[in-house]
Formats: sequence, structure tokens, C-alpha cells
Amino acid sequence: GAVVSQHPSWVICKSGTSVKIECRSLDFQATTMFWYRQFPKQSLMLMATSNEGSKATYEQGVEKDKFLINHASLTLSTLTVTSAHPEDSSFYICSAPPGTVQETQYFGPGTRLLVL
Amino acid sequence: AQSVTQLGSHVSVSEGALVLLRCNYSSSVPPYLFWYVQYPNQGLQLLLKYTSAATLVKGINGFEAEFKKSETSFHLTKPSAHMSDAAEYFCAVSTGGGNKLTFGTGTQLKVEL
Repeated sequence: GAVVSQHPSWVICKSGTSVKIECRSLDFQATTMFWYRQFPKQSLMLMATSNEGSKATYEQGVEKDKFLINHASLTLSTLTVTSAHPEDSSFYICSAPPGTVQETQYFGPGTRLLVL
Repeated sequence: AQSVTQLGSHVSVSEGALVLLRCNYSSSVPPYLFWYVQYPNQGLQLLLKYTSAATLVKGINGFEAEFKKSETSFHLTKPSAHMSDAAEYFCAVSTGGGNKLTFGTGTQLKVEL
């Protein structure tokens, strides 16, 4: 089946630094990818929709200047957390729908971010 | 707007017992409905989905769910729980093509001997 990977799987950084998380679709092309964050013991909250070749669409309340999204190719989207602070510590998960099966999404394994 | 409510943040069953995880949705248009499972520190795995075909949907690992429009429900069931079923389960809804998912708050399933 389709596979979505994320890198890194976990990262620890100092407050004020920036962190880049990659999301790759391994055996299909994805013009759209989604970024979610999940706090401990909570549900997934959609942050933004990453669109290949155009700007990302952010959900209400998500700072686009803090969470930079770049959909560089049909198989890669990156999320950069700029000037990270401890409250940005979370589990970040991406997903991607295979091009022709719009009602199915494949989720990456997630990236755990800890900001000290 | 669409939303999902999962009743019971924690459900505990005995091994071999029936599993019932509840999900109610709200949507102004015909929805697509999904159940996902998440194991600790992992991403989500699709269990099953309803996309306006048969109302009784069978998924992986023996799970199934029934779409009931009159009750706006999509409860997840499994006749006999196994220890390996212990995980977090999320119900999700989408409309207009299925890309944008709204998740419920999740139900932690515990399976006891």
C-alpha cells in the first residue's frame, strides 16, 4: 500500500531555533498534503493544507509566519517551525491522499518535537 | 461545518468481549466517515471508511462500522476483542471529496485479560 514517511521521527531543539520536518510520499504523487499537530492525549488538529506549486492554506488560528510550509515537489512537503518555543512541543503528523482516490489519506508516522 | 463527537474517552473491555466505540457526526452535506487507529508514538492507520456505498462497512482486523443517517452515527464494533486492539481510535468526517478531515477527540481502548 501507499506509504508516507516523515523525517525526523523526533527532534529536540533549543528555544528560538527553527526546525524543519519533511513529509514524503514514497510511491505516489501528492499534489496536496496535510499537516496536523497532536498534543498529548488529544486529537489531531489540522494546521494547514500544503499545495504543490502554490501557497499553503492555513487553518484559522495557525500562524503562517511561524509554521512555514513548502510543497517543493509532488512527493515532498516540508513544515518549518520558526523560532520554536516550548509551547510548540507537540506531535506533528502529515498525510497525503493518492491522486485519484480522494477519500483516502495515508498518514506519516509523525514527528515528535520537543523544544527546551 | 462538520464535526465529530466520540462518546467515552476511555473504554475498557475484557479479551474476547464485544468492542463498541461510539461516533456521532454533524454535517450539512452527505459525509464521508472514517475510523483510524493510532498506536503509541505512531501515525494513524485507516481501519475503515464509509463513502456513500454500503452502510455496513467492514474494515481490517475484524472491525466494522454501520452508517446510520437517522441517528447521525458511525459506531465501530468488533465481536471479540484481542489484546492487540488496545490503542487510540479516532473517528473522522469529511465532506466535499474527502480531503479535509475533522477528527473526534479519540477513544482509548483498553483490553484486559
